[in-house]
Amino acid sequence: QTVVTQEPSLTVSPGGTVTLTCASSTGVVTSGFYPNWFQQKPGQTPRSLIYSTSNKQSWTPARVSGSLLGGKAALTLSGVQPEDEADYYCLLLSGGLWVFGGGTKLTVL
Amino acid sequence: QVQLVQSGLEVKKPGASVKVSCKTSGYTFTSFGVSWVRQAPGQGLEWLGWINANNGHTNYAQTFQGRVTMTTDSSTTTAYMELRSLTSDDTAVYYCVRDWNYDLDYWGQGTLVTVSS
Repeated sequence: QTVVTQEPSLTVSPGGTVTLTCASSTGVVTSGFYPNWFQQKPGQTPRSLIYSTSNKQSWTPARVSGSLLGGKAALTLSGVQPEDEADYYCLLLSGGLWVFGGGTKLTVL
Repeated sequence: QVQLVQSGLEVKKPGASVKVSCKTSGYTFTSFGVSWVRQAPGQGLEWLGWINANNGHTNYAQTFQGRVTMTTDSSTTTAYMELRSLTSDDTAVYYCVRDWNYDLDYWGQGTLVTVSS
């Protein structure tokens, strides 16, 4: 079974830029993995930010973007705000099945 | 507006089964699929499987094969997820998610399932 790996935690300063990554145990992540990214704040339901690598939901802030970077899926937050502090999860399609990464806890400090 | 409204809290004993419902509205039910995702207390997200609401085709995560059944009722635009042979490890919040064209966009509010003797 595919294992999806994310950074356990990252810290960024307000106004800064941070990139979260998502790797697959099967090798290079391509657009065929249809990466999705979700944000979850404490006590809340997860919220979709990005689908199919780089497509934004209508509610996704313009400063949030998705891409492929160095063989991984990536989520970049620019001009980080305090309200961006949350857990972020990636989701990859592998062998016709979805697999979540373990999540990245983003601290804004 | 798109809404997925799930059934309420469930408390089950080990070995029992649970069936969670997900009532949808605001979109054409049979034009989309539904994924089910769970989150154990303090843990990450885990995908259980997906059902095509048009034809009932399912894909289940290997971890849950043989123990989970997903169904839909297009007359009531409701999706269901049944999980059998529950153990304490199945204690989690279970979410239904609209899933089509590689986009998991709208989530239900979650259903807490507690398994305890």
